[in-house]
Amino acid sequence: AQTVTQSQPEMSVQEAETVTLSCTYDTSESDYYLFWYKQPPSRQMILVIRQEAYKQQNATENRFSVNFQKAAKSFSLKISDSQLGDAAMYFCAYRGTSGTYKYIFGTGTRLKVLA
Amino acid sequence: ETGVTQTPRHLVMGMTNKKSLKCEQHLGHNAMYWYKQSAKKPLELMFVYNFKEQTENNSVPSRFSPECPNSSHLFLHLHTLQPEDSALYLCASSQEGLAGGLADTQYFGPGTRLTVL
Repeated sequence: AQTVTQSQPEMSVQEAETVTLSCTYDTSESDYYLFWYKQPPSRQMILVIRQEAYKQQNATENRFSVNFQKAAKSFSLKISDSQLGDAAMYFCAYRGTSGTYKYIFGTGTRLKVLA
Repeated sequence: ETGVTQTPRHLVMGMTNKKSLKCEQHLGHNAMYWYKQSAKKPLELMFVYNFKEQTENNSVPSRFSPECPNSSHLFLHLHTLQPEDSALYLCASSQEGLAGGLADTQYFGPGTRLTVL
């Protein structure tokens, strides 16, 4: 069975600095999707970035980028020029392509941004 | 309204009550999901519906009963709940089966904060 592990329950970053959130996963599938979701306090969970496993190029969305290491089964999120609005819970998620619609989520990392 | 909406946003109920949670998606998606989110635990997938058909029931107790009358609406009927069922219940939708773009990406509603007394 697939698993997703986020080993950092909490991280802090100074405003305008860069922070990297870690995620590792385990799967026997060769094709899948990986996601980072952001859940601000008492607000809706939103998609930050998505990566297709067959693409070697790392996904980027403005200040957010990933370091996808398929062989190591690692999918870290880098947030550059951190802003106060980046403070949230960040969830890493995996979704296979074998026909099931099951998404597997990690336990999340709480990111604090210090002014 | 756009995106995924959920009502009510907050619900307090006794163990003998019967209540329902509602989810509506305005994205034209074909799959809808119920998740339970408890503190310090991964999101727990409860049910999956694709084109109104239930495709996943993740060993959820029968006191939770889902209903999907059409591709845009999803309900979670609750009865004789336990205090440990108190959690944030999230609904999500996705467009499955298409290649490219943001297919197979879930979009979440704001959740219903449920407290069982």
